[in-house]
Amino acid sequence: AQSVTQLGSHVSVSEGALVLLRCNYSSSVPPYLFWYVQYPNQGLQLLLKYTTGATLVKGINGFEAEFKKSETSFHLTKPSAHMSDAAEYFCAVKGLDSNYQLIWGAGTKLIIKP
Amino acid sequence: NAGVTQTPKFQVLKTGQSMTLQCAQDMNHEYMSWYRQDPGMGLRLIHYSVGAGITDQGEVPNGYNVSRSTTEDFPLRLLSAAPSQTSVYFCASSVSGRAHEQYFGPGTRLTVT
Repeated sequence: AQSVTQLGSHVSVSEGALVLLRCNYSSSVPPYLFWYVQYPNQGLQLLLKYTTGATLVKGINGFEAEFKKSETSFHLTKPSAHMSDAAEYFCAVKGLDSNYQLIWGAGTKLIIKP
Repeated sequence: NAGVTQTPKFQVLKTGQSMTLQCAQDMNHEYMSWYRQDPGMGLRLIHYSVGAGITDQGEVPNGYNVSRSTTEDFPLRLLSAAPSQTSVYFCASSVSGRAHEQYFGPGTRLTVT
């Protein structure tokens, strides 16, 4: 069965520091991969996605993620953290068995220290 | 466009009560879904619909019913609330064939006592 693992339920970085949120997936075929962000008391919104083509994907708010097939990873990065980046981030993979389902990671809460 | 709207924002129920969580979208999306979000567990799919009149179960459907009589609306019914259903509920919608690019509502925080 497919699964998505996000390493670290909480990640704390200083403002201006590099943000790295880790996501590993299991899939027997090339996956579609996604990062969603949830700001406090809001619904989720799509941050970026990988479907095919270029393995380095750029998203909104300066975030990017790189699909590494050999490592089955899709880590999310941002060179310089802002206070406004404080949110929960979810990695997801498109389900193999359905066109309609996503398999979700447990989420990583990003804390920005001033 | 209002996007995806959910009502109510907050609700407290007693065990055994029933209620309906409302979800509506004005983007003419064919696909709609309901998730629950619990700490440390990410999102779990409850039910989904690929169009008016068509619904199917997700990962955790027990205790919940849905119907889809119009493209716009996708209500979630709790038949007999239990404390295990205390959670935050999100409705989402997307264009058919792009269910991985979902638009989420703001959520309903439900507490069952």
